[in-house]
Amino acid sequence: QVQLVQSGAEVKKPESSVKVSCKASGGTFKYYGISWVRQAPGQGLEWMGGIIPVYGTANYAQKFQDRVTISADESTSTAYMELRGLRSEDTAVYYCARGTRPTVADFEYWGQGTLVTVSS
Amino acid sequence: EIVMTQFPATLSVSPGERATLSCRASHSISSDLAWYQQKPGQAPRLLISGASTRATGIPARFSGSGSGTEFTLTISSLQSEDFAVYYCQQFNNWPRTFGQGTKVEIK
Repeated sequence: QVQLVQSGAEVKKPESSVKVSCKASGGTFKYYGISWVRQAPGQGLEWMGGIIPVYGTANYAQKFQDRVTISADESTSTAYMELRGLRSEDTAVYYCARGTRPTVADFEYWGQGTLVTVSS
Repeated sequence: EIVMTQFPATLSVSPGERATLSCRASHSISSDLAWYQQKPGQAPRLLISGASTRATGIPARFSGSGSGTEFTLTISSLQSEDFAVYYCQQFNNWPRTFGQGTKVEIK
């Protein structure tokens, strides 16, 4: 059974950075795409980007292209999402999610979510 | 970017009734579409992928159909646990994109 466990809630100042981790267990880590999806309070789901660990190259939504880095460490089965230049509108729950295909497609497995609050 | 449009925004249905949710893609996405259910305070749950294939453990009352640009999620007989927000998502093009969601509420 695949489980994704994310790091804890963060409170950040505007213009700072946050790095959220997502540790996978069960199944093979490196061949399945992992994505980051965020959800602002009361809003819908927004795909930020994804990576297939064995290839190491991430795809990003253009909206986040300049501010986000998604990476993966095969040795620890952990994916990371770093968001820079934080602003108040980045306050959201950030989810990691993984599918069952060797690509970034649908998302069967989800982390529990990490609340990132941006406030001065 | 492919824009996913869901309608209606809110659907009021009585328990035991059928619910039909729609999702439209701005360009053809073949059958590369997934549906999710999300309840308050929870992560989304995958219901349907490939437009019509139920995910593991999803009850048969959930069914998906469509291809190209028009898709439908049908819940044949709503149970109390089905009242939630439903999202569609395409995985045919980059970036992956979600619809804005349909809230299914108790009538």
